[in-house]
Amino acid sequence: QPVLTQSSSASASLGSSVKLTCTLSSGHSSFIVAWHQQHPGKAPRYLMNVESRGTYIKGSGVPDRFSGSSSGADRYLTISNLQSEDEADYYCEAWGGNTHVVFGGGTKLTVL
Amino acid sequence: EVRLVESGGGLIQPGGSLRLSCVASGLTVTNSYMSWVRQAPGRGLEWVSSLYTSGNTYYGDSVKGRFTISRDSSKNTLHLQMNSLRVEDTAVYYCARGGGYSNYLYFSVDLWGQGTLVTVSS
Repeated sequence: QPVLTQSSSASASLGSSVKLTCTLSSGHSSFIVAWHQQHPGKAPRYLMNVESRGTYIKGSGVPDRFSGSSSGADRYLTISNLQSEDEADYYCEAWGGNTHVVFGGGTKLTVL
Repeated sequence: EVRLVESGGGLIQPGGSLRLSCVASGLTVTNSYMSWVRQAPGRGLEWVSSLYTSGNTYYGDSVKGRFTISRDSSKNTLHLQMNSLRVEDTAVYYCARGGGYSNYLYFSVDLWGQGTLVTVSS
């Protein structure tokens, strides 16, 4: 079963860019990863899928400031021109084999 | 508008049963991979169960044998029957579209409901 590893927290200044990382465990570097955003007390929101080649497909209504990329076992979510409303928890998700669906532990993003 | 709306949560004593429902609009539950995902207070997301278009069902180890996922095509509704509830089942339960794997393709979650809170406590 793949394990998805995320940093527990990240911070960046208003108007700057931040790159969040989701690392797939050994042997699973070809997996597609989905990114989700969750504001406190709210349901998650699907952002995008990121493939191993670096291509990404965004969900409906996701701002252009959000983009995805990939390098080896790492899948990235980059947010440009950070806004206050981007302060949230971000989770990655992937196929978990026998576990079916696995989530990373989440990254809490603080906008300074 | 494509939408999922959950209901059925509440306060239940340990050992009790509860049935969650998720009404779908703008999509057909029989034509979609559907899942339940939960989030305990202050914790991350945890996959609970998935129901494939084929009718195959899958469960996380922590709920296997206690929870049952099903769908009602006439009402376009997904259900989660939860029996033998434990304190550690306390969480917000989200209905989601996606979470299925077929022909080397993974269909991730791409739509979430608003969630329903289940509290298991005496």
